[in-house]
Amino acid sequence: SAVISQKPSRDICQRGTSLTIQCQVDSQVTMMFWYRQQPGQSLTLIATANQGSEATYESGFVIDKFPISRPNLTFSTLTVSNMSPEDSSIYLCSGKWAGTEAFFGQGTRLTVV
Amino acid sequence: AQKVTQAQTEISVVEKEDVTLDCVYETRDTTYYLFWYKQPPSGELVFLIRRNSFDEQNEISGRYSWNFQKSTSSFNFTITASQVVDSAVYFCALSGTNDYKLSFGAGTTVTVRA
Repeated sequence: SAVISQKPSRDICQRGTSLTIQCQVDSQVTMMFWYRQQPGQSLTLIATANQGSEATYESGFVIDKFPISRPNLTFSTLTVSNMSPEDSSIYLCSGKWAGTEAFFGQGTRLTVV
Repeated sequence: AQKVTQAQTEISVVEKEDVTLDCVYETRDTTYYLFWYKQPPSGELVFLIRRNSFDEQNEISGRYSWNFQKSTSSFNFTITASQVVDSAVYFCALSGTNDYKLSFGAGTTVTVRA
């Protein structure tokens, strides 16, 4: 599997502000995904990051709140916009090739105060 | 829609005991993948095993083994001779073979006491 680096690893943000999380893979991957893990909960898929086009969002997640970019096969960003305390979560980037298991970054621990 | 159920919320064992984690899934897909991931206290998600829906052969890999039964939609995972370092949250997950999006169970917290 490849190695995924996420930045920042953690942050404390003021409500109403936005945070952009970066995800860098050390090799080209077919697919990239963003997941959210709320405190003490399981992982929920936010969206599939599509290279060169708009991300595909899951039910309950919208582009205005979670804009995603994927300019190439190794890099993606997730922005959490107009944050509220309910956005406090771990955000995880995932990558994979077809037919293999998904691998994950170490996550970004976000606290909104 | 896909659904993964891990009925066990927490399991606590003494070192060297075996631990079996239950996982039941629902899917309309005829082909799919099943996974187990481990999330230690540090937070990263570590891949453990993957199984294709068309391969029901059960295997052992080191201290890990799994029991995949398509007839009951179950994919149970066993840690043999548990160690303190096995303490973590274990997630069962399911994906289709087209979009590969993962659906996770709620997770089972395993605590191994010395």
